[in-house]
Amino acid sequence: DTEVTQTPKHLVMGMTNKKSLKCEQHMGHRAMYWYKQKAKKPPELMFVYSYEKLSINESVPSRFSPECPNSSLLNLHLHALQPEDSALYLCASSQRDTYQPSLGTGELFFGEGSRLTVL
Amino acid sequence: GIQVEQSPPDLILQEGANSTLRCNFSDSVNNLQWFHQNPWGQLINLFYIPSGTKQNGRLSATTVATERYSLLYISSSQTTDSGVYFCARLGGNQFYFGTGTSLTVIP
Repeated sequence: DTEVTQTPKHLVMGMTNKKSLKCEQHMGHRAMYWYKQKAKKPPELMFVYSYEKLSINESVPSRFSPECPNSSLLNLHLHALQPEDSALYLCASSQRDTYQPSLGTGELFFGEGSRLTVL
Repeated sequence: GIQVEQSPPDLILQEGANSTLRCNFSDSVNNLQWFHQNPWGQLINLFYIPSGTKQNGRLSATTVATERYSLLYISSSQTTDSGVYFCARLGGNQFYFGTGTSLTVIP
């Protein structure tokens, strides 16, 4: 059983909708990540949070808005998406701390993913 | 930038056969993982192996950091081994994924 939980598993939304993807980890990890994965491609990094601070934003369009309410929770708010944003969205966590990389391992743990379809 | 190459890109095996998947890096390795992505999309940790050799049941992995590669061995393959295998290495504060090996095991 994964210790990184994502909801919802599936989401269908229109281009004018506002929705959110949620992620929770129960391992006490310091860093959390959002990845986007298109079919037959490797995951692409979107955002990294470390100690609830945004440390990496890979030039993601503003229609994707991340939020980290605390070190265990990570949200991805979606607004005015395009059909090409349809993809599998993966949340991950690691013990490694971006600001103190010598502490903890970098082993990455993924949730089951949220499969998003934009109509 | 950091390059991560995997080979072969596609592999079809008869059930019971063995296979070796390879991951090459453009620079030195200090943090490497192997994942299996099942048909439902979940990425499952197989090995965290910055160096040396590890074994878990029918799977084993070896990383030779000085020569910039890692190998994943699958023995006595089963249909449930089908899916995509990714290696990923940590560079700075993010993970760089390889392009993956798509494995199909036929009964």
